[in-house]
Amino acid sequence: GESVGLHLPTLSVQEGDNSIINCAYSNSASDYFIWYKQESGKGPQFIIDIRSNMDKRQGQRVTVLLNKTVKHLSLQIAATQPGDSAVYFCAENIEGYQKVTFGTGTKLQVIP
Amino acid sequence: GAGVSQSPRYKVAKRGQDVALRCDPISGHVSLFWYQQALGQGPEFLTYFQNEAQLDKSGLPSDRFFAERPEGSVSTLKIQRTQQEDSAVYLCASSLISKVSQETQYFGPGTRLLVL
Repeated sequence: GESVGLHLPTLSVQEGDNSIINCAYSNSASDYFIWYKQESGKGPQFIIDIRSNMDKRQGQRVTVLLNKTVKHLSLQIAATQPGDSAVYFCAENIEGYQKVTFGTGTKLQVIP
Repeated sequence: GAGVSQSPRYKVAKRGQDVALRCDPISGHVSLFWYQQALGQGPEFLTYFQNEAQLDKSGLPSDRFFAERPEGSVSTLKIQRTQQEDSAVYLCASSLISKVSQETQYFGPGTRLLVL
């Protein structure tokens, strides 16, 4: 079937290496940020979130960094595994509003 | 338990036909969202329901798009007089409460619409 990742920027990493996926967000008023993982043929899946009063948050094998000065988010995946292969989207939200704005996405390819 | 389900999974329509896409959210979820995802792009917000009330429809691209959730559970997205630019994956998401920053949105697998 068609790939969600068609025409997206692609990051290729060796299995076991760390991955860093970057995202520039658009609205300086955004105060809540989410990373999603989307596998082909599936809907986005929540990975980790961060609020604007934080600059770092860690989960299991994942870390999100937020730099509000330059409106930049990054997702770090430790010890990348083949199952991490997917398209990753950052998304932003303004507290009190329901609209979530997604970025364009990055396709992560893990080389076994 | 069951996640968000959507039907049909694939729909082919001739230009000018009307289509109806169904979303079954997770039972008990208050909030329901529709998104449109073009090939190679991120999802774009279409509309939001809190129970049966449509509180935000700012993302609907034209008056050909209509969404409803009459009993606060199942939702239908209807597209009238489909155009080729409507071809996309239509994603539905639900969450337990109404505050985005306090509750994860759970996405369905989407309906892939192709308009010929």
